[in-house]
Amino acid sequence: QSALTQPASVSGSPGQSITISCTGTSSDVGGSNYVSWYQQHPGKAPKLVLYDVSNRPSGVSNRFSGSKSGNTASLTISGLQAEDEADYYCSSSSTSSTRVFGTGTKVTVL
Amino acid sequence: EVQLLESGGDLVQPGGSLRLSCAAFGFTFSSYAMSWVRQAPGKGLEWVSYISASSNNAKFADSVKGRFTISRDKTVYLHMSSLRAEDTAVYYCAKYNVAGTHFDYWGQGTLVTVSS
Repeated sequence: QSALTQPASVSGSPGQSITISCTGTSSDVGGSNYVSWYQQHPGKAPKLVLYDVSNRPSGVSNRFSGSKSGNTASLTISGLQAEDEADYYCSSSSTSSTRVFGTGTKVTVL
Repeated sequence: EVQLLESGGDLVQPGGSLRLSCAAFGFTFSSYAMSWVRQAPGKGLEWVSYISASSNNAKFADSVKGRFTISRDKTVYLHMSSLRAEDTAVYYCAKYNVAGTHFDYWGQGTLVTVSS
């Protein structure tokens, strides 16, 4: 049940685009279409921002988009805004457990 | 409006036991699988446990297997025993979507501190 690998931090200026990677194995990300992404502001509960690799829940900005290639999924935030500054976690179904999370990425808006 | 309200977090000594509760509102609780996810101070999210909608299937992370159990009636419970310092975390209750493929709602969490 090893965590999925994400970069510890990513930063960008307002208006720019950033991409967060999430690397697993063929037993989780590579073998699953059920990759989801969660945004967590300090002291708050996580919030779903993408599911099934690239689908946005109602109410989530279309500046959030997702993709997957092989064992790596990605979250892209375009038109970066101050409110996007938060921690982001990917998650996948796994053959060894029900769910596995990524190590988390801190997004900083410069 | 979907709401998940956790309770039961406390300071407990190593080796002790605790029961967390998650009260659910705003959806047909009996139709959805639920999970507990924890976050140690300053650390990332860790999936802990899963229970199916009908309670006939439960799963646990290796780190808690044999020490934690999960159950549900109109509330979902996490029964924790033989607690260790490394179990110190905020414990979140999370609701699965109907297909059981992601968490569409989370509670605000309850803090468990294991310390002497």
